[in-house]
Amino acid sequence: GNSVTQMEGPVTLSEEAFLTINCTYTATGYPSLFWYVQYPGEGLQLLLKATKADDKGSNKGFEATYRKETTSFHLEKGSVQVSDSAVYFCALSFYKLTFGKGTLLTVNP
Amino acid sequence: KAGVTQTPRYLIKTRGQQVTLSCSPISGHRSVSWYQQTPGQGLQFLFEYFSETQRNKGNFPGRFSGRQFSNSRSEMNVSTLELGDSALYLCASGETSGGETQYFGPGTRLLVL
Repeated sequence: GNSVTQMEGPVTLSEEAFLTINCTYTATGYPSLFWYVQYPGEGLQLLLKATKADDKGSNKGFEATYRKETTSFHLEKGSVQVSDSAVYFCALSFYKLTFGKGTLLTVNP
Repeated sequence: KAGVTQTPRYLIKTRGQQVTLSCSPISGHRSVSWYQQTPGQGLQFLFEYFSETQRNKGNFPGRFSGRQFSNSRSEMNVSTLELGDSALYLCASGETSGGETQYFGPGTRLLVL
C-alpha cells in the first residue's frame, strides 16, 4: 500500500539556519504530494503541494520538489525563524491523505 | 471565506458512552474527510463523504460512523467508547473527492475516561 516516511525528529535549529526535512514515499500510481504544518493546539495547515513529477511547491519561503526518480519530496527553507517552530507532516494523496509520522521543529533565537 | 469549523473543541466522555462530533466545511466544498490523530498511531484516515455518500473508508471498527447532510456539514459518531479512542479528531474539506488539497479544521479533542 501507499506509505510516507519522513525523518524522525526532533530537529533543533538556530534562527536563520538552513532547514531540510526529508520525505520519501511509496505509492502505486502517481499521487499528489503535500506538506502540512501543525502549530501547538491547532489543526493542520496546508503549507505547499505538488501534483506531478518535477513540480516545485513553495510558500512562505518553504520549498519542496516532487522527485519521481527518488520518490522524494524533501522540505527546505533557507533561513528559519522562531515562528517556524511546529510539527511538519509530509503526505501523499491517492483517494485519501496518507501522512508521515511528523517532524517536530524547534527554532531557537 | 470562513475556514473549516468543528464543534465541540473539547469533550470528555466515559467508557461505553457514545459521542457525536460535527464539522462544517468551507463554503462550496462538498467533500468532508475525518482523521484521527494520536501520539502512537499518528494521523489515520477514518472516512470521506462527498455529496452525502461515503466514498472511502479507513481501517476502523464499525463503532466509528459518519454521515453528511445536504448542506455538506458532516457528523462523526463513535459508539461504545474505549480508552483508546482518546484522540484529536480532525475534519478536512475539499472541492473534490479523493483526497486532493484538503483544508483542515482545528479539531475536536476527545478524552475518554
